[in-house]
Amino acid sequence: QKEVEQDPGPLSVPEGAIVSLNCTYSNSAFQYFMWYRQYSRKGPELLMYTYSSGNKEDGRFTAQVDKSSKYISLFIRDSQPSDSATYLCAMSVILGFGNEKLTFGTGTRLTIIP
Amino acid sequence: EAGVTQSPTHLIKTRGQQVTLRCSPISGHTSVYWYQQALGLGLQFLLWYDEGEERNRGNFPPRFSGRQFPNYSSELNVNALELEDSALYLCASSLGEGQGDFSPLHFGNGTRLTVT
Repeated sequence: QKEVEQDPGPLSVPEGAIVSLNCTYSNSAFQYFMWYRQYSRKGPELLMYTYSSGNKEDGRFTAQVDKSSKYISLFIRDSQPSDSATYLCAMSVILGFGNEKLTFGTGTRLTIIP
Repeated sequence: EAGVTQSPTHLIKTRGQQVTLRCSPISGHTSVYWYQQALGLGLQFLLWYDEGEERNRGNFPPRFSGRQFPNYSSELNVNALELEDSALYLCASSLGEGQGDFSPLHFGNGTRLTVT
């Protein structure tokens, strides 16, 4: 079993819809949770990161962490064609010196249909 | 603020050759990470440097090596290239030890290496 599981998609939704992207994990030691967006032929771009359980909002994006269920989500409201990209979740546990254990999901490819 | 920069953007090499990839971190970041992103395999951790020293290494053979310079820029070297080394090589940087409890990685746009 992988430490981080992410549905690869592809996921296609109409413009304006609410998008829900999810990851599950097995390592309860993970402390920090990140979402990256990667456009084709580009590097991953950090969207948001959170530490505690609960919600964190940034514009049209909301990150949700449920540590009891080992489940994280990224919601995109009012989705736009420019949101079409691959979304990667990542999780980190600090082992005493920086990001000593950082694990990425495999990414979900999202397409917003105009 | 300039982001992480990588060079070259694209590279085509022949099997058995050697290649050097370069990375400049965000100003103020002392940690540099290298990842391999092969088609369908996700991000695979290669190497982590901080303050000029190798701090951790992923599950890759010794022909993958690198170094970090005093200005915190970094090189990734791959010797005896194999066809399966074809991938996007990503460099990322973050704040190092003593600069905060947590510093997420910021990535460059990568070097796309094709081995024929």
